[in-house]
Amino acid sequence: QKEVEQNSGPLSVPEGAIASLNCTYSDRGSQSFFWYRQYSGKSPELIMSIYSNGDKEDGRFTAQLNKASQYVSLLIRDSQPSDSATYLCAVAGLTFGQGTILTVHP
Amino acid sequence: DTGVSQDPRHKITKRGQNVTFRCDPISEHNRLYWYRQTLGQGPEFLTYFQNEAQLEKSRLLSDRFSAERPKGSFSTLEIQRTEQGDSAMYLCASSLAFTYEQYFGPGTRLTVT
Repeated sequence: QKEVEQNSGPLSVPEGAIASLNCTYSDRGSQSFFWYRQYSGKSPELIMSIYSNGDKEDGRFTAQLNKASQYVSLLIRDSQPSDSATYLCAVAGLTFGQGTILTVHP
Repeated sequence: DTGVSQDPRHKITKRGQNVTFRCDPISEHNRLYWYRQTLGQGPEFLTYFQNEAQLEKSRLLSDRFSAERPKGSFSTLEIQRTEQGDSAMYLCASSLAFTYEQYFGPGTRLTVT
């Protein structure tokens, strides 16, 4: 059974800091990886996709993929209170982790 | 470009009743997905379509659940003989073909009493 593991948190960081969110997965053959943001009471919103080993940057967000170690991470630079949400990792598109709650405090 | 829409947004039903939900994807998206989400958990995959073909269905999905996408546009998800454990948010998402970059609808919240 394919599994995706995330630390449920909550992860609390001060405004302006770097938030680091991690995800590990069990299916070594997985080829596509995604990060979604979900605000309380809302549906998930796609923020990043990554397919190759290494880093992918988009604005304040950087996704990192290491297929050999089977982990994918999301870094949020200059964290803002508006970044406070649950961050979901999805592997091979269909399998989601339970999410990590991020709180950015002023 | 309108996003993914779902109807109804809320549904309260009594145990044992059948319910049907509708999802309209983004118009140019070929793929359509159904998920179920409970509080504190990530979305749980139920099934997905590419055009009208149902490509994958979760092995965890009870036979009481069925989904259709008859003309490759909107989709319906039916739950027969609902149980209290079916209470959840039912999410629909869509994507272009050959990608899993999904865009989610607002969800249908089901409460079974």
